[in-house]
Amino acid sequence: GENVEQHPSTLSVQEGDSAVIKCTYSDSASNYFPWYKQELGKRPQLIIDIRSNVGEKKDQRIAVTLNKTAKHFSLHITETQPEDSAVYFCPRDNFNKFYFGSGTKLNVKP
Amino acid sequence: NAGVTQTPKFRVLKTGQSMTLLCAQDMNHEYMYWYRQDPGMGLRLIHYSVGEGTTAKGEVPDGYNVSRLKKQNFLLGLESAAPSQTSVYFCASSFAIETTGELFFGEGSRLTVL
Repeated sequence: GENVEQHPSTLSVQEGDSAVIKCTYSDSASNYFPWYKQELGKRPQLIIDIRSNVGEKKDQRIAVTLNKTAKHFSLHITETQPEDSAVYFCPRDNFNKFYFGSGTKLNVKP
Repeated sequence: NAGVTQTPKFRVLKTGQSMTLLCAQDMNHEYMYWYRQDPGMGLRLIHYSVGEGTTAKGEVPDGYNVSRLKKQNFLLGLESAAPSQTSVYFCASSFAIETTGELFFGEGSRLTVL
């Protein structure tokens, strides 16, 4: 499957700080870049996605940026809150097959 | 509109027993997927389907079989369960990426094999 590299694997921040999670990919043909959030004991859910013809997309406190030259895209969470604590995934697609890595576990300390 | 529904939600099996997990979606999605999630391993794709009557192998297909006789249903079968198949299983469905690409997941099915 697609190579999924996500950094860091764990991230701990203080409530109110910002958090950044980076995902690198290897396939230059990729044109769809989603981010999923999975809270403890729950199902993964899409929180934001971006297409290759867009460099940045924002939705309230979350944003995704894409750097096609460097082949990476990042999730930015500002003003973090305890409810942002979860595992975040950047699955890679290969002709509509989605491959998830181990994700990034974000812990927001109150 | 129930979304993606998985049954059963919990099951305990003995080694060698068989069982079937059912996934049903009411969103008219073409694509359906079965994943397993183990601690620290993220989600791994077992099998997937790109439409009614079609199935294909994912990353970890050994020990599992699938069928998609109807567009809205995707069945995952374990013919002879092994302790290594103890996991949480998630079903997901979606339209093609060209349409939206968003994966809708079921609540998960926790399987324990003794």
